[in-house]
Amino acid sequence: AQSVTQPDIHITVSEGASLELRCNYSYGATPYLFWYVQSPGQGLQLLLKYFSGDTLVQGIKGFEAEFKRSQSSFNLRKPSVHWSDAAEYFCAVGATDYKLSFGAGTTVTVRA
Amino acid sequence: DTAVSQTPKYLVTQMGNDKSIKCEQNLGHDTMYWYKQDSKKFLKIMFSYNNKELIINETVPNRFSPKSPDKAHLNLHINSLELGDSAVYFCASSQDIHWRFFGPGTRLTVL
Repeated sequence: AQSVTQPDIHITVSEGASLELRCNYSYGATPYLFWYVQSPGQGLQLLLKYFSGDTLVQGIKGFEAEFKRSQSSFNLRKPSVHWSDAAEYFCAVGATDYKLSFGAGTTVTVRA
Repeated sequence: DTAVSQTPKYLVTQMGNDKSIKCEQNLGHDTMYWYKQDSKKFLKIMFSYNNKELIINETVPNRFSPKSPDKAHLNLHINSLELGDSAVYFCASSQDIHWRFFGPGTRLTVL
């Protein structure tokens, strides 16, 4: 079965600084990888996804993520964060069934 | 134009009561899900229906019973509520096995 680890529980970043969130997955075949964002009191919104092809994927809100098979990683980055990026971020991995597995999430706090 | 909607948004109830949460999607998707997000924000799949047929039934107490009257609706009924049922419940839908469109969540508090 697939699984996801997000090593960072909480990250604090200054507004305008860069952000990188780590995600490591475990799956025997080529995974389907996702990043979701959950703003306070809201549902989850898909930021970006990787299925195949170019390992650097662009998403919404200026986010990008890079798939590195050798490291089993799919880290999320943003060059310059805005206060509105404060949220919970979830990495997820899907296989050939309907069971999308989520990581435990990383809370991002943005300070002025 | 809400894609996935849930009602109610908040639900506060006493232990032992029975309650239902409703979910509707207007995306024309074939598959719908219920997820539970606990106090540590961990998301766990509970159930999934594809064209009204149950396809995922994780280890969930049988006090929880999903019902899908049609492929646009997936309701969750919970009998004999317990303190540990307090969580945020998210409904989601998808057209293929990987995409998920999530609803806004229902925060259930059991007193």
